[in-house]
Order: sequence, then structure tokens, then C-alpha cells
Amino acid sequence: DTEVTQTPKHLVMGMTNKKSLKCEQHMGHRAMYWYKQKAKKPPELMFVYSYEKLSINESVPSRFSPECPNSSLLNLHLHALQPEDSALYLCASSQDPASGSTDTQYFGPGTRLTVL
Amino acid sequence: QKEVEQNSGPLSVPEGAIASLNCTYSDRGSQSFFWYRQYSGKSPELIMSIYSNGDKEDGRFTAQLNKASQYVSLLIRDSQPSDSATYLCAVNQGSGGFKTIFGAGTRLFVKA
Repeated sequence: DTEVTQTPKHLVMGMTNKKSLKCEQHMGHRAMYWYKQKAKKPPELMFVYSYEKLSINESVPSRFSPECPNSSLLNLHLHALQPEDSALYLCASSQDPASGSTDTQYFGPGTRLTVL
Repeated sequence: QKEVEQNSGPLSVPEGAIASLNCTYSDRGSQSFFWYRQYSGKSPELIMSIYSNGDKEDGRFTAQLNKASQYVSLLIRDSQPSDSATYLCAVNQGSGGFKTIFGAGTRLFVKA
């Protein structure tokens, strides 16, 4: 089973709203990732959590705030977003970050975010 | 800037033909290479991973890796219309960690 789930599937929000994206996996994976993907572009890494600690923040604006409550859950809190933040937000997980470069990432279905 | 480059396509092949997708990367220290398939509006789905020089076959898919030349390719035999998608090449940088760099993807069309 290589399932990563994400909710909601679609989200429309105004620039003053606060919302959260949720990602869950029950594969025992110890690394979880947030990516942002614009149309016809590759996924861009935003954040990486390894063993529930933030390992990588790719200079993401503070209006995006990640949270990893436990090893199965990853949230992305959104506040005061801009229309250019509209994109597909992808969550991924991988088994063992200590295994280094052979660790394979599995993606969830994504949340399609529209900021009005 | 460490990069992964792919021909954006579109690559068009007739049904039943072999589709050949190529990818080059700039970081010589890269150690892991992945091919993902992404249908329009969907998330990337892992097709193949390869870590050693040579060929790796899985069903109709063959991944080829040449670290000396810094390229990795994906061959799809007996292409089907359902293979029409964007194929993303992804490279895990060897300097210990979790950073995977994606190429821009090649759009493949398989004509029935």
C-alpha cells in the first residue's frame, strides 16, 4: 500500500482567509514533503519533515506555515495568500530519510487551490 | 544551479511503437533517478526508479542510466493511448538528503 491522502481536493479562498491543507499516510514513512505545482511546470519543493522535524524550508513565504503533529500527519496552514499562490499542492512521503538518496517519494492526489 | 533537463515535447508516437524519453542532469553526485507519470490534473505516479548504470526493466518500461554521460532514459514498448501523459524525470541529489529535483517533463501522445 503506497497511499497518501490529501484533503480537501479543491479549495477556493479569499486573500484574507485562513485555511489548512491536510495530508495523511499510514505506511510508516518518516519523511513527508510539501510541493507546489503550477500548470505545465514541475513540482517545486516547499518543505520537508524528517522524523517530525522540519528539515528543509525552501525559502517559502511565511504566509505558508507547515506543521507535522505526528509521523502520519502533515498540515499546511495558509494565511493572507495571493492570487499567484493558486496551484496544485502536493504532499509526498518516503520511507526512511536515513537511507539517503535511494528513498522513493510517493505522492498524494493533491489539493487544487484557487485564491481569489 | 543544479538542473534536470528534458525535452518538453510533445512527443507523438503511433500505438504499438516504442516511445523514448530522455533526461540529462548536471549534478555528478546524483545517485537516484526516478520516472514519474502525470496525467493532466492528477498527481505524479512513480513508474520506475534506477540507481545503477545499465538497464532496468519492468513490464513495458525500461529505464536506462549512464552516470558517465549524466543521462537517464525511459523506453515504453508497445505504447498505448493510455500512456499519453507527461513524464517527469526526477533526480535525488547525492549530497545526503531529501531534495529531489524534477525536470520540466516531456508530454507524450500515443495515437490510436
